[in-house]
Amino acid sequence: GQQVKQSSPSLTVQEGGISILNCDYENDMFDYFAWYKKYPDNSPTLLISVRSNVDKREDGRLTVFLNKSGKHFSLHITASQPEDTAVYLCAAGGGYQNFYFGKGTSLTVIP
Amino acid sequence: AQTIHQWPVAEIKAVGSPLSLGCTIKGKSSPNLYWYWQATGGTLQQLFYSITVGQVESVVQLNLSASRPKDDQFILSTEKLLLSHSGFYLCAWSWDNYEQYFGPGTRLTVL
Repeated sequence: GQQVKQSSPSLTVQEGGISILNCDYENDMFDYFAWYKKYPDNSPTLLISVRSNVDKREDGRLTVFLNKSGKHFSLHITASQPEDTAVYLCAAGGGYQNFYFGKGTSLTVIP
Repeated sequence: AQTIHQWPVAEIKAVGSPLSLGCTIKGKSSPNLYWYWQATGGTLQQLFYSITVGQVESVVQLNLSASRPKDDQFILSTEKLLLSHSGFYLCAWSWDNYEQYFGPGTRLTVL
């Protein structure tokens, strides 16, 4: 089955608002969680990541929240801008061969 | 600064023909290297990883093989392409098996 799930295939947010992207994972042995940004026909770019020993990490407008008991993590983008429009991939893993991606959430920020 | 190159940028190949895709990483010695594949509309999927020259581990069986002939080079190949091999192939590197950084990718179309 899918190890990492992004339940919302798309999200639309008004410019200036908060974009919240969600991700659920299956394996409670995963110890690394990441968010990537991807444009069509381009490769993913690492945005932000956390290890399992923290439950929150901030970097500018981006914040990752990790809920280990719920096997859930999320990406919050504050002050969303039209240039944030892209596909966001979550990924989780632990070990060299255990790195799984979600299908992605397409974020559209409306001016 | 580390740079990762993939070649070719795109390929159109016939079913049954051989394939060789390449990846080089500069500016980082002894990186962990990975091959990923994404079918059109599909999820990014890890295929192989390598933590040292000459050593490659398979994650998913897709009638493909990989080799690491040099510290900075990772090759993906097959002797006979299938229609199902079409998609986007990505090489990635990491220093510590956590943050993974992707190359620009190769778009493969098998006809």
